[in-house]
Amino acid sequence: GAVVSQHPSWVICKSGTSVKIECRSLDFQATTMFWYRQFPKQSLMLMATSNEGSKATYEQGVEKDKFLINHASLTLSTLTVTSAHPEDSSFYICSAKTGAYYEQYFGPGTRLTVT
Amino acid sequence: GQQVMQIPQYQHVQEGEDFTTYCNSSTTLSNIQWYKQRPGGHPVFLIQLVKSGEVKKQKRLTFQFGEAKKNSSLHITATQTTDVGTYFCAGDSGGSNYKLTFGKGTLLTVNP
Repeated sequence: GAVVSQHPSWVICKSGTSVKIECRSLDFQATTMFWYRQFPKQSLMLMATSNEGSKATYEQGVEKDKFLINHASLTLSTLTVTSAHPEDSSFYICSAKTGAYYEQYFGPGTRLTVT
Repeated sequence: GQQVMQIPQYQHVQEGEDFTTYCNSSTTLSNIQWYKQRPGGHPVFLIQLVKSGEVKKQKRLTFQFGEAKKNSSLHITATQTTDVGTYFCAGDSGGSNYKLTFGKGTLLTVNP
């Protein structure tokens, strides 16, 4: 149980275009989803926290107009990278938790390359 | 903001040797969690520690939470090649969103 999927697993896009990444909890209802960014051989940097039906809470330094997060249902959250630039190239990972359980279940990640 | 320091950054051991990674938070934590990320994979939850001074064991893995709830450690006894990966601690300072601050992780490699 507790499986989280992400789509796509990797994507290459041109500078200036937008990319949408989906995060789904497959066998549980995710009351909260988190979006992280991970650089090679580095830690996970929390970008934002989203609760179903409400606006995402962004971490300091993360541009909310550039990284649009939508958590429309208890099983789906999306991250849209708008007007992507090469410096946005990274590994984006989502995680989800349910109710009062503390552990986060991570998706497999999405490798974004902006050319 | 809250910071979580983790050392060492890398550790290479011979199979059968022990391994320990340490985690220290700048603030008192509500709980601390440990995750393992295999090369090319995603983080997988290992355990959560909540109580001051708590010690939990999972087979060859021993997790400790400090009395002040600001530091933690993960000790692996007699490492195996399957233990290879990056071990992250993640601190929860308490809050309605349960957000975690991750340490930089310790990459463990095991020589067979």
